[in-house]
Amino acid sequence: DSGVTQTPKHLITATGQRVTLRCSPRSGDLSVYWYQQSLDQGLQFLIQYYNGEERAKGNILERFSAQQFPDLHSELNLSSLELGDSALYFCASSVVGAGGRTDTQYFGPGTRLTVL
Amino acid sequence: AQSVTQPDIHITVSEGASLELRCNYSYGATPYLFWYVQSPGQGLQLLLKYFSGDTLVQGIKGFEAEFKRSQSSFNLRKPSVHWSDAAEYFCAVGATGGYNKLIFGAGTRLAVHP
Repeated sequence: DSGVTQTPKHLITATGQRVTLRCSPRSGDLSVYWYQQSLDQGLQFLIQYYNGEERAKGNILERFSAQQFPDLHSELNLSSLELGDSALYFCASSVVGAGGRTDTQYFGPGTRLTVL
Repeated sequence: AQSVTQPDIHITVSEGASLELRCNYSYGATPYLFWYVQSPGQGLQLLLKYFSGDTLVQGIKGFEAEFKRSQSSFNLRKPSVHWSDAAEYFCAVGATGGYNKLIFGAGTRLAVHP
C-alpha cells in the first residue's frame, strides 16, 4: 500500500459525459501527478500540482482539467468524453517535486475509466 | 528529448531462473532512474531507484539494478525468479527543466513458468 488513494476504482460512462476522478496523496506529500495508461499510448504524464498550484503540464487534452485543493487532495475532471478516453488513470504523489529536483513518486491503485 | 526504451515486450522465464530486464534511456545529464512493477489489476509499485552514488542499487523483493552511464542503461536483475514475480515492469526516467514528471518505457511483461 503506497498511501495514495484514488476513487472510484472503476467508472463506466457514456460518450459526451463528464466525470471526476479523485486522489488523496500520501500524508506530507505536496505534489500530485496524474498519468494516463492506455494500450496505444502507454503511461503518459498529464499534469502536476504542487501545493495547490499547477506545476507542469504534459499531454493533457483541453477537455481535461485538474485542481489541487487546500487539503492537498486532487481531482481530475474529464469532459465531453470520447471512446478513446477509456484508460487507467493513475495519481501519484511526492514530497516536493519542485525546484528542478526529481523525487520519488508513489502511485495510487488507479481508476479504470470505460467510455461506452 | 528524454526517452526510455525497453526492448523486450514479453519475456518468459522458468521459476528459479535468473532474470534481466533491459532499459535504455536518452538523457543529457545524470538521470534519475526508476523501476516500477504493475501486477494485474494493480497500481505501480516502486521496486528501486537511482539518484546518485553507488551504481548498483538494491530494491524490494530481491531485485537489483545497475546504472551504466557508458551504455545509457539501467537493467533490472533478479537471481532467482518466483512465480509471484509475473507482472509488467516499467523503467522510468525523471525529467529535467524543473519538472518532476516521469517518462516511462513501454513496459516488459514477464511470464513465469512453473
